[in-house]
Amino acid sequence: EVQLVESGGGLVQPGRSLKLSCVASGFTFSNYGMNWIRQAPGKGLEWVAYISSGSSYIYYAETVKGRFTISRDNAKNTLYLQMTSLRSEDTALYYCAREAPRTGCFDYWGQGVMVTVSS
Amino acid sequence: IQLTQSPSLLSASVGDRVTLSCKGSQNINNYLAWYQQKLGEAPKLLIYNTNSLQTGIPSRFSGSGSGTDYTLTISSLQPEDVATYFCYQYNNGFGSGTKLEIK
Repeated sequence: EVQLVESGGGLVQPGRSLKLSCVASGFTFSNYGMNWIRQAPGKGLEWVAYISSGSSYIYYAETVKGRFTISRDNAKNTLYLQMTSLRSEDTALYYCAREAPRTGCFDYWGQGVMVTVSS
Repeated sequence: IQLTQSPSLLSASVGDRVTLSCKGSQNINNYLAWYQQKLGEAPKLLIYNTNSLQTGIPSRFSGSGSGTDYTLTISSLQPEDVATYFCYQYNNGFGSGTKLEIK
């Protein structure tokens, strides 16, 4: 069974940093591209970042480019999102999601981890 | 490309045939998926590549469309289908969602 379990969220002050993790199980993690997607409270979905299976390709949404860094450790089956210079508008539930094979969508999602940016 | 979903809120009765719309400001080239998000849960993939049913999804869900206009159809609405439905264009973004409730 595919499982994605996020952690590392919490309350953080504006301008500070936070690092999210997503541990994968039930599939060969190193074979799949991975994504972070977020959802502000009561709002829609926003794709945040993508990393290819071997970390060769990395893309970011314009809203986080230069502040967030996606990375992965295939030996540990873990995806990361380093978030710096956090703003109130980054407050959201952050999901990690697996890229579906041979498509550009996301077939499995974690349960999400909440990040609240507030003073 | 902007994705516009309509209606934003849909109320229907159990057993109804329900149609949700997703329209792009430009050609989407069939690179479209549909997600179901129940309250307090992560989104679930229903349909990918416009009309391919994800494994394990009931056959009452179907997708269609081409060009700029795409549709998610539920052939016979069930109580467990109460959710918000999002369309997603690959490498572009999500629509704003349609909230589906039971009348």
